[in-house]
Amino acid sequence: DVKVTQSSRYLVKRTGEKVFLECVQDMDHENMFWYRQDPGLGLRLIYFSYDVKMKEKGDIPEGYSVSREKKERFSLILESASTNQTSMYLCASSFEGGATDTQYFGPGTRLTVL
Amino acid sequence: KNQVEQSPQSLIILEGKNCTLQCNYTVSPFSNLRWYKQDTGRGPVSLTIMTFSENTKSNGRYTATLDADTKQSSLHITASQLSDSASYICVVSLTGGFKTIFGAGTRLFVKA
Repeated sequence: DVKVTQSSRYLVKRTGEKVFLECVQDMDHENMFWYRQDPGLGLRLIYFSYDVKMKEKGDIPEGYSVSREKKERFSLILESASTNQTSMYLCASSFEGGATDTQYFGPGTRLTVL
Repeated sequence: KNQVEQSPQSLIILEGKNCTLQCNYTVSPFSNLRWYKQDTGRGPVSLTIMTFSENTKSNGRYTATLDADTKQSSLHITASQLSDSASYICVVSLTGGFKTIFGAGTRLFVKA
């Protein structure tokens, strides 16, 4: 079974703090994704990566950055957390990344910024 | 504008009953449509995927339909169980890359 794990299930940070969210997948998938999920909205893509050290902006990249130094690990960074970044963050991975490919999701990190 | 709209937003049904969830989309160029199930506190898990030429796909008690002409999909759950309580998310992918549009989901609660 594909396993996607995220470093924290719950996180509370203060405005202005630097926040790291880590995601690890164990299936040698090429592609990894970071989404945020807010009530009443669908998942929104923040960034994705299709190879080590490669990254592409998604729909809402502002205020975020990412790092992919190793194939299995994809980190989301909030350089200076703000209250409007309070959300559920979901990481996903897929083998090929094309439109027909299944994305496998981690359990999510619920981040609260005070 | 590419959009995926789901209805109802939430639904409560009795255990053992059937239900149907709706998904309407305005996405182009269309590649495929998926339904995901997301249990509380977990990430979404894929239930079904349908391409343009497919109009129905089953996965156990879950049956998805697709009408590419009207751009509508439905997810039918038969003989619901308490474990079906979850959010069900409709996701439409565009051709030519990574672009996917997520619906906001339908929150289903099955009560005993």
